[in-house]
Amino acid sequence: DIVLTQTPLSSPVILGQPASISCRSSESLLHGNGDTYLSWLHQRPGQPPRLLIYKISNRFSGVPDRFSGSGAETDFTLKINRVEPEDVGVYYCMQATQFPRTFGQGTKVEIK
Amino acid sequence: QVQLVQSGTEVKKPGASVKIYCNSSAHTLSDHYMHWVRQAPGQGLEWMGIINPSGDNVNYSQPFQGRVAMSRDTSTSTVYLELSGLRSEDTAVYYCVRAGDQYFDLWGQGTPVTVSS
Repeated sequence: DIVLTQTPLSSPVILGQPASISCRSSESLLHGNGDTYLSWLHQRPGQPPRLLIYKISNRFSGVPDRFSGSGAETDFTLKINRVEPEDVGVYYCMQATQFPRTFGQGTKVEIK
Repeated sequence: QVQLVQSGTEVKKPGASVKIYCNSSAHTLSDHYMHWVRQAPGQGLEWMGIINPSGDNVNYSQPFQGRVAMSRDTSTSTVYLELSGLRSEDTAVYYCVRAGDQYFDLWGQGTPVTVSS
């Protein structure tokens, strides 16, 4: 199984400041069709996760442009340009290149 | 706005089975692969498996093989998850998830399942 390792696991941030989360994969996530199926999800307390970013860097519908994704092969990053109060919660990376689908452990973002 | 609506809270005894359903509030799911993901209290996300649009092909995560069954009724656009041989470690919130192009674009509200004697 592909293992996704996120760092940091906890990120106290100041409102209006940037934040960054790393996701490292145990194997390349480059699919044979040329796509890389790495997504980012955000989960607020008591709510289901919601999709932020898919295929490394594509913002899902309605996601603010302060969120951006980058990376390739085994190393990926989610950046929040300027953290806002509604950005608190847990962020997960997820791969859909291989079965079984796997998730990172999650990174908790909270306001300092 | 399209929503996935899941069945309600379940409380089961060890060894029992649970069957959860998921359907769409306003949009057919018949064209989509559907996944099930669970989340134990205070823990991360765990993928359980996938069912294809016609319901005749499934792929289960190895830890659940032998005691999980995913199915769907295309006439009602409903998908089902059945988990048998429940144990305390199965206490979790279970989510149905719609798949876009290999991404999870729509999540149900979750069904809490508690396994306790």
